[in-house]
Amino acid sequence: QVTLRESGPALVNSTQTLTLTCTFSGFSLSSGGMCVSWVRQSPGKALEWLALIDWDDVKFYSTSLKTRLTISKDTSKNQVVLTMTNMGPVDTATYYCARIRASVDYSGVYDWAHFDYWGQGTLVTVSS
Amino acid sequence: DIQMTQSPSPMSASVGDRVTITCRASQNIRHFLNWYQQKPGRAPTVLIYDASNLQSGVPSRFSGSGSGTHFTLIISSLQPEDFATYYCQQSYSTPFTFGPGTKVDI
Repeated sequence: QVTLRESGPALVNSTQTLTLTCTFSGFSLSSGGMCVSWVRQSPGKALEWLALIDWDDVKFYSTSLKTRLTISKDTSKNQVVLTMTNMGPVDTATYYCARIRASVDYSGVYDWAHFDYWGQGTLVTVSS
Repeated sequence: DIQMTQSPSPMSASVGDRVTITCRASQNIRHFLNWYQQKPGRAPTVLIYDASNLQSGVPSRFSGSGSGTHFTLIISSLQPEDFATYYCQQSYSTPFTFGPGTKVDI
């Protein structure tokens, strides 16, 4: 079965860089159509999409956060890593990774599915 | 970015009620709209995908409809386990965006 699990520091200081790892099983990111995404949720707030990496190593980022985010994958380890620079208290949140499938047509247009499997989330607190 | 709005937020309901939650997109997203349920301290789970398709294992009291910019999630008869927050999400294009959520409580 498909599982995902987030790992990383529970506490970071302001201005530091956060590195989170999503370790998954039950699928391969080298298989066509497979993608892993990161979503976060500040306490009491709505879900916010952050980034996505697909089977072909194509990456997509949140418009407002793209200058601070980097997503990468290690297919051999079944891991996806998200780094976020210059952390601040507003970045305190639960960070989730989730799987989403997609297809691409001949012109490069993506047909996205939905987030079908999620990790349990990891709470990251940023101290000032 | 495509903006998503939801109404009502929050809402009070009782067991057995028919609950309707509305989601609107700032532009035409065709049928690329998904609904998620989230309970406190838990990750979201998908209920409805592509506007009207029931995810496997989700009770049939949940249904979705709509296309373009206007979508609806209906719970035909609210059960105790349905008290949660519901989010819509557009998968028409990146960056993906979620609605602000609708908390359904007693």
